[in-house]
Amino acid sequence: NAGVTQTPKFRVLKTGQSMTLLCAQDMNHEYMYWYRQDPGMGLRLIHYSVGEGTTAKGEVPDGYNVSRLKKQNFLLGLESAAPSQTSVYFCASSMVYRVGDTEAFFGQGTRLTVV
Amino acid sequence: LAKTTQPISMDSYEGQEVNITCSHNNIATNDYITWYQQFPSQGPRFIIQGYKTKVTNEVASLFIPADRKSSTLSLPRVSLSDTAVYYCLVVGDNYGQNFVFGPGTRLSVLP
Repeated sequence: NAGVTQTPKFRVLKTGQSMTLLCAQDMNHEYMYWYRQDPGMGLRLIHYSVGEGTTAKGEVPDGYNVSRLKKQNFLLGLESAAPSQTSVYFCASSMVYRVGDTEAFFGQGTRLTVV
Repeated sequence: LAKTTQPISMDSYEGQEVNITCSHNNIATNDYITWYQQFPSQGPRFIIQGYKTKVTNEVASLFIPADRKSSTLSLPRVSLSDTAVYYCLVVGDNYGQNFVFGPGTRLSVLP
């Protein structure tokens, strides 16, 4: 059981380049999330999805786009990378068992450097 | 979403019990209190969750007073491998934005 898998694990981009980060989960979870984590800080929510075909903005959505065409996949796109987007990106998924009773499972992260 | 406040950092020695307190004054009736642990270069992982009183699992205990405005994560007899950042979250029925992580508490376990 792989859980949440992020691809790639590392990437270096030049300013202005584009890329897509892939998150795949095999737990049939409805909810998926993309976070970024900067050094010494907590995680900040970029975008999230409450089901296949739906997406919504989180705390820091500017400069990112997402898509959830299949339930198991959640893609994060950077159309024109900027140095300020240098960060570690985490994907997570969760299932709600009842109100409040839910657990998020995280991937191992993607370390992105924009030069 | 209920806002949480917890200490930025704590130091402890191996073999000691560590208690990390989190305040969440505006917790709602349906909200649960959840703690996550994050090691360097890894994603957070679930430790424990509770609604009221005391919850214990193989990793930790969670104490929640009757008013539920605070909670305490207790780690018994910590070891060096417990050095990590610990996040307190209040999780409710805002399904899409349930997992809001603050800066957490950076626990350093010393030999």
